[in-house]
Amino acid sequence: GAGVSQTPSNKVTEKGKYVELRCDPISGHTALYWYRQSLGQGPEFLIYFQGTGAADDSGLPNDRFFAVRPEGSVSTLKIQRTERGDSAVYLCASSLQAPRTLSDTQYFGPGTRLTVL
Amino acid sequence: AQKVTQAQTEISVVEKEDVTLDCVYETRDTTYYLFWYKQPPSGELVFLIRRNSFDEQNEISGRYSWNFQKSTSSFNFTITASQVVDSAVYFCALLSSNTGKLIFGQGTTLQVKP
Repeated sequence: GAGVSQTPSNKVTEKGKYVELRCDPISGHTALYWYRQSLGQGPEFLIYFQGTGAADDSGLPNDRFFAVRPEGSVSTLKIQRTERGDSAVYLCASSLQAPRTLSDTQYFGPGTRLTVL
Repeated sequence: AQKVTQAQTEISVVEKEDVTLDCVYETRDTTYYLFWYKQPPSGELVFLIRRNSFDEQNEISGRYSWNFQKSTSSFNFTITASQVVDSAVYFCALLSSNTGKLIFGQGTTLQVKP
């Protein structure tokens, strides 16, 4: 079946602009995660959804970052007033996560490379 | 605190050599899960293996093998008879059953030369 898909694959924007990054999880996966990967680093957790609700958003760096998953499937990561330091690859992952089980394998999408000029 | 350390930043080998990628982790959880992911130049993280903290059996899958030792908090990955297609960045990751978050190491860049 299809894997996790992310659009766009690349996004170049100017400092101060607003961007939206989209993630389409594997069909049937109830849990969805966003990670950020800076150059030469491992991915870092941003936010986790179980169904439609954000179960853990402790990794969001500040209030310029926000994510939604209104129908429990596709998710959008939104970044307001972008800064050069936001430049990174944003990775989305999904897992077949039964409620109260947090141990399922996460499968990753190809990522969106965000460049803020 | 939870932490994953991959001390080897870059490794370069010649094709057909065996290579071991080291991973050391820290956690206070009694139940946890360890993973290895491969990130080829295309950028997508590819899942390779998952081990549960209560299962210390080593595993072999083709040319890949994994050595999990709780006593030393290590989960090392060995590629036997390496091939050029193995060239990638490899990440070790720890997942807590309490949080569901993956904690990644810094990654090891493996270059296999023909």
